Amino acid sequence: GAVVSQHPSRVICKSGTSVKIECRSLDFQATTMFWYRQFPKQSLMLMATSNEGSKATYEQGVEKDKFLINHASLTLSTLTVTSAHPEDSSFYICSARETGLTEAFFGQGTRLTVV
Amino acid sequence: AQSVTQLDSQVPVFEEAPVELRCNYSSSVSVYLFWYVQYPNQGLQLLLKYLSGSTLVKGINGFEAEFNKSQTSFHLRKPSVHISDTAEYFCAVSDLNAGKSTFGDGTTLTVKP
Repeated sequence: GAVVSQHPSRVICKSGTSVKIECRSLDFQATTMFWYRQFPKQSLMLMATSNEGSKATYEQGVEKDKFLINHASLTLSTLTVTSAHPEDSSFYICSARETGLTEAFFGQGTRLTVV
Repeated sequence: AQSVTQLDSQVPVFEEAPVELRCNYSSSVSVYLFWYVQYPNQGLQLLLKYLSGSTLVKGINGFEAEFNKSQTSFHLRKPSVHISDTAEYFCAVSDLNAGKSTFGDGTTLTVKP
């Protein structure tokens, strides 16, 4: 089956620094990738959609300058949380989909803690 | 636009009892339907999915779900639960064309001995 690898699984960073999260499709071409955020005890909320080679489309209320998304290849998308603050602490999950396939496949998530 | 409503935020049940977690959805376009399980501090694990065909779908760990188009529901069931089934369960719909998923708020299943 299709596998999506997300790295790192956990990261702790200091307030004001930037953190990069990687999402890789291991055995298919991820023409579209999605980034979700999950606060404790809450559901997953879509942050942005990225198509390979294009700028990401952000959901309402998500700051594009704070959450930088790059999808430069068909197997890799990155989410960079810039100038992180404690309120950015959350669980971030990516999913990837190949055009023509029926579903997107999820990575295992990254737990970000900003101290 | 799509929305998913999980009708029960918490479901406590005794071990070996049957359980049903309810999910209703609304969408202006055709969607795929999914159930995921999330254990504490872990990612999502796909339990089962409905794409097309038979409305009764079977998944992993003895779970099954039935798609009811007229009632726009996709309830999850298990005839006999185990302690290890204690987790958060999410119902989700996915747009056929765009591929992005909309999740319900989740149901916490607690299996008691």
